[in-house]
Amino acid sequence: DARVTQTPRHKVTEMGQEVTMRCQPILGHNTVFWYRQTMMQGLELLAYFRNRAPLDDSGMPKDRFSAEMPDATLATLKIQPSEPRDSAVYFCASVRQGGTEAFFGQGTRLTVV
Amino acid sequence: QKEVEQDPGPLSVPEGAIVSLNCTYSNSAFQYFMWYRQYSRKGPELLMYTYSSGNKEDGRFTAQVDKSSKYISLFIRDSQPSDSATYLCAMSAVGSGTYKYIFGTGTRLKVLA
Repeated sequence: DARVTQTPRHKVTEMGQEVTMRCQPILGHNTVFWYRQTMMQGLELLAYFRNRAPLDDSGMPKDRFSAEMPDATLATLKIQPSEPRDSAVYFCASVRQGGTEAFFGQGTRLTVV
Repeated sequence: QKEVEQDPGPLSVPEGAIVSLNCTYSNSAFQYFMWYRQYSRKGPELLMYTYSSGNKEDGRFTAQVDKSSKYISLFIRDSQPSDSATYLCAMSAVGSGTYKYIFGTGTRLKVLA
């Protein structure tokens, strides 16, 4: 049962701390997205990779957010330093080459206090 | 103004009603139009997708795309309590050099038994 795996599922941290979220895309999928979901803004695209190369990270606050894909099985999203306004659910999604459907993980629910 | 606009609802309907969900968009380069369903505390899952204009039917669900008006719709016939979820439209201009999937904010639907 192929699925996108995100860790951790929940994270509570204090303002100013570093947060790292991880995503394992479905094997063979070559496009990986990071989204942030809030009630007010919905699903916002933060960054995405194709064949591990970053294609667009214009949705991310550059001063505190960074996204990397060190290998085909791992994508990371880091926030340093974290702020209360970063509290949201962060989703990773992947698409296979030539495919249309984006498969989503279960999300990481981040709370910054 | 957002590239994709969607009424957030909530929308409450009695069981058996026909539900109409809609999105408008501004980017004429969008070619793939998708509807995702998201249950509470889960990741979005693809419900239907349509390429370019036209209609597509799958069981109780019908997706319509009107590119001339930049308007897409999802109809649910004989709605069931199990259809209660948030419905997100998504669009992509895959094939034109970009692989972004842009989502609407989602419409919360509640089907009352």
